[in-house]
Amino acid sequence: EPEVTQTPSHQVTQMGQEVILRCVPISNHLYFYWYRQILGQKVEFLVSFYNNEISEKSEIFDDQFSVERPDGSNFTLKIRSTKLEDSAMYFCASQPTAIRSNEQFFGPGTRLTVL
Amino acid sequence: EDKVVQSPLSLVVHEGDTVTLNCSYEVTNFRSLLWYKQEKKAPTFLFMLTSSGIEKKSGRLSSILDKKELFSILNITATQTGDSAVYLCAALNYGGSQGNLIFGKGTKLSVKP
Repeated sequence: EPEVTQTPSHQVTQMGQEVILRCVPISNHLYFYWYRQILGQKVEFLVSFYNNEISEKSEIFDDQFSVERPDGSNFTLKIRSTKLEDSAMYFCASQPTAIRSNEQFFGPGTRLTVL
Repeated sequence: EDKVVQSPLSLVVHEGDTVTLNCSYEVTNFRSLLWYKQEKKAPTFLFMLTSSGIEKKSGRLSSILDKKELFSILNITATQTGDSAVYLCAALNYGGSQGNLIFGKGTKLSVKP
């Protein structure tokens, strides 16, 4: 059964460093998302992406964050200068279409630890 | 501010018990209500509810949405230890061309043998 994959499973970085989190959505899906979950807190929406551009973004998604779909396969989340409070589990999700199904399929997540 | 509130936050039951998990929402451009089960990492999809009063069932799990009172419940009958997980409720906010999910904090269910 097709699934969303994410790499790495765990990323440890120093404060101020740039990180890139990678996701491979399900191949025929068109809509992509990033969410994050700080330990012990709820899952929070970061950004949605369609047709090579951002559709919506939350207040969390400030200038330090960017997303890209560089090669039609990968979907990446970049944090330019990480802060301690960026430590969280980051989930990528993909969705077939906005009309036929609103179900978002989640990847296993990348745990980001900022030291 | 859009929000989703789940109750209880945690629940401990014994195998065979029936549980009801609650979810209320206040979302500006509400489209659907989704339930996910989160065991270790990725939330896995359980149900999506768009219409009021229509129960969805999958085995021992069932769910229903009340769009007038703005809440949903998830029922699990004859619970098993494998049902232990965090159950997430999420409201689909569909303000533009692409919606986003607004999650509750989850209900942590522990099923004891």
